Amino acid sequence: AQSVTQPDIHITVSEGASLELRCNYSYGATPYLFWYVQSPGQGLQLLLKYFSGDTLVQGIKGFEAEFKRSQSSFNLRKPSVHWSDAAEYFCAVGASKIIFGSGTRLSIRP
Amino acid sequence: DAGVIQSPRHEVTEMGQEVTLRCKPISGHDYLFWYRQTMMRGLELLIYFNNNVPIDDSGMPEDRFSAKMPNASFSTLKIQPSEPRDSAVYFCASSSSHVIGQNTGELFFGEGSRLTVL
Repeated sequence: AQSVTQPDIHITVSEGASLELRCNYSYGATPYLFWYVQSPGQGLQLLLKYFSGDTLVQGIKGFEAEFKRSQSSFNLRKPSVHWSDAAEYFCAVGASKIIFGSGTRLSIRP
Repeated sequence: DAGVIQSPRHEVTEMGQEVTLRCKPISGHDYLFWYRQTMMRGLELLIYFNNNVPIDDSGMPEDRFSAKMPNASFSTLKIQPSEPRDSAVYFCASSSSHVIGQNTGELFFGEGSRLTVL
């Protein structure tokens, strides 16, 4: 069965610091992996996705993620966060059926 | 092009009443998903359709929940009778397939319908 685990419920980082949000997945085949962001009161927006090929994928807003098959991970990174990055971040897996993790809330310290 | 449109945005109802949530997907998209978001359970997939056909409804909580997609431009999620534990934000999302049987994965979400059952 497919599943997604985001072990960090809430992370606080200082503005300008680097960020890494963790995501581990379980999937029976080559996974399609995604990161979405949700601002308060809004729906989710796609940041980036991995289907195949280069395991380091670039997304919008300066985010990137690296697929590591051996670790079943797809961690999201950003070299320098901005106050506007404060939001909830969701990792997702699936081909037709898309399943989301529980989310990680990111707070930015001024 | 308009995005995914959901209505109502907010609904407050009393226990036992019927609730109908509506969704208009993006034109041309052949996948439609209904998710429920709560603090306790996160974002749960309730059901998804491909070409108007329900593919997987294993996430539907119980018989009180039903979903239909009578045509490519409209879907409903109905709760009858509603209970306080159904209080949540319900999201509709749509996407398109680039490989037969698989969608592109880019889900376009509506703004959600916030349901409160008293």
